[in-house]
Amino acid sequence: NAGVTQTPKFRVLKTGQSMTLLCAQDMNHEYMYWYRQDPGMGLRLIHYSVGEGTTAKGEVPDGYNVSRLKKQNFLLGLESAAPSQTSVYFCASSSGYRNEQFFGPGTRLTVL
Amino acid sequence: DQQVKQNSPSLSVQEGRISILNCDYTNSMFDYFLWYKKYPAEGPTFLISISSIKDKNEDGRFTVFLNKSAKHLSLHIVPSQPGDSAVYFCAASVTGANNLFFGTGTRLTVIP
Repeated sequence: NAGVTQTPKFRVLKTGQSMTLLCAQDMNHEYMYWYRQDPGMGLRLIHYSVGEGTTAKGEVPDGYNVSRLKKQNFLLGLESAAPSQTSVYFCASSSGYRNEQFFGPGTRLTVL
Repeated sequence: DQQVKQNSPSLSVQEGRISILNCDYTNSMFDYFLWYKKYPAEGPTFLISISSIKDKNEDGRFTVFLNKSAKHLSLHIVPSQPGDSAVYFCAASVTGANNLFFGTGTRLTVIP
């Protein structure tokens, strides 16, 4: 089992460019999450999904969109990247909201 | 406003001694608490959790203590090993919500 994988691992964007981060899990988990980690801020929830076809806003959703077309995949989109979105992005999945979350290795995004 | 706080950014401990990592929270609605461990260039991995109906949970070398009146929890690692060197995140949640609120992390260094 690969667990939770994230693509790409690193990316550099210019302000205004768009990109999509892909998260995939092979544990048949219902719940999936996108977090960002910034220095001195811990991990903050961007968006999450409680099942295929569903998405919901987390703590810091502005500037991001998500889609969960397949149960195993959760995509995070940046339509017009801004320097404030420079961060490390983590995807996670779990079998239920109280259960432990399994995290991917992260994507380091730099927006110039 | 940070609802989960880890006020010690770093901690150094000799191998074989006890490591104590602390976490404070402000939201009295939190009823489930987790500790995650993170190595560089990897995602966080679940370590141990505790429900608010308990005041202690133990798993091998790891014990989490919860003091609800003080809104404080701590993670004890005994004995500490060099492989425990990592960043430790405290997280908290409310039953019925999908957010995990993370602290800013404490970097533990275990000195051989």
